[in-house]
Amino acid sequence: TQLLEQSPQFLSIQEGENLTVYCNSSSVFSSLQWYRQEPGEGPVLLVTVVTGGEVKKLKRLTFQFGDARKDSSLHITAAQPGDTGLYLCAATQGAQKLVFGQGTRLTINP
Amino acid sequence: DAGVIQSPRHEVTEMGQEVTLRCKPISGHDYLFWYRQTMMRGLELLIYFNNNVPIDDSGMPEDRFSAKMPNASFSTLKIQPSEPRDSAVYFCASSHRGIGNQPQHFGDGTRLSIL
Repeated sequence: TQLLEQSPQFLSIQEGENLTVYCNSSSVFSSLQWYRQEPGEGPVLLVTVVTGGEVKKLKRLTFQFGDARKDSSLHITAAQPGDTGLYLCAATQGAQKLVFGQGTRLTINP
Repeated sequence: DAGVIQSPRHEVTEMGQEVTLRCKPISGHDYLFWYRQTMMRGLELLIYFNNNVPIDDSGMPEDRFSAKMPNASFSTLKIQPSEPRDSAVYFCASSHRGIGNQPQHFGDGTRLSIL
């Protein structure tokens, strides 16, 4: 059983469309991180959310932490081909271990 | 500043051979992590160090895997003997001052293929 369930697993859309991907759990987290991974590279941190209900924006990307701190969403407005990649959410399990979801593999078609 | 450096980038070897993966963390970072990524299991933590001391190795699959950090600027992950099911991308990451709120900085990984 995955601690963090991400959905959808795969998403392919056209340039200019909007999309939302989700990261869900039955556990409560003190913080949650979103990473993006491009082919042949390691994951790169996009954002950390800490407070329940928190919303953070990074250009066309909007991240939200659920009120109960059990889930998070990533919304991309007017997607571009450069947004293509694997989006991973991660949260701390126990005292000092970061656990990753399986990821959403996003493809933006020109 | 240089990021996390891993070597080699690719490794292809035959079953039964010893494999050594290397990592140089970002200078000043006191945490170092080894991960394995596969399509089936995603990104899994194998082991992590704090100030060169192994803290949690519960993710190491079995005794064939071992990791060392002899100093603050170098770590190795060794597989002996290697098996085809060890084929994966292995990532090293480092961070400063802990886990959770701090970003982990990943290297570009070593793609390992065991034939």
